[in-house]
Amino acid sequence: GENVEQHPSTLSVQEGDSAVIKCTYSDSASNYFPWYKQELGKRPQLIIDIRSNVGEKKDQRIAVTLNKTAKHFSLHITETQPEDSAVYFCAASRAAGNKLTFGGGTRVLVKP
Amino acid sequence: SAVISQKPSRDICQRGTSLTIQCQVDSQVTMMFWYRQQPGQSLTLIATANQGSEATYESGFVIDKFPISRPNLTFSTLTVSNMSPEDSSIYLCSVAGPSYEQYFGPGTRLTVT
Repeated sequence: GENVEQHPSTLSVQEGDSAVIKCTYSDSASNYFPWYKQELGKRPQLIIDIRSNVGEKKDQRIAVTLNKTAKHFSLHITETQPEDSAVYFCAASRAAGNKLTFGGGTRVLVKP
Repeated sequence: SAVISQKPSRDICQRGTSLTIQCQVDSQVTMMFWYRQQPGQSLTLIATANQGSEATYESGFVIDKFPISRPNLTFSTLTVSNMSPEDSSIYLCSVAGPSYEQYFGPGTRLTVT
């Protein structure tokens, strides 16, 4: 089955700096890659996703890139703010709406 | 996106007992899933709840331990049976949206003593 690895497990950045989280996946048939943000005690929230026919997608301060050949995708957060502090999860699936396999998560701390 | 609710939001149960968790969606959805999130860990898929047929379980999860019902396109239940402390987790349902993105319910925090 699919295996998703996520790095780093923790990330501390200064407010205003950029944060980058990387994920690799094993199943070459995976074609949908969402990112979730989970604040303490809350449900995971979908923040951005990318499908395999696209190499990059942006939404304000966040962007995701996908390299299908290398089977890895990354989340980029620019101009980080304290409210970006949370745990971020990447995931992969063979089709949008199909079951998700999650990475281990990255705890991001943005220091004021 | 769909509004998803879960009941109960949290519970403390004794070992050996069972708890049924409900997931209600405010619109009809084709795909519903149940995940487990152990303390400080990532999310693991338990099963896909299929409307009108038996749920599809992932490796390591069995129907006798986690029976699932899906009587219609807006509702599903997950039962955690014969609980042990190792079942202490957050249980989340999710649904696939109109563009097939997945949204999660608020979760049920279960503590087994």
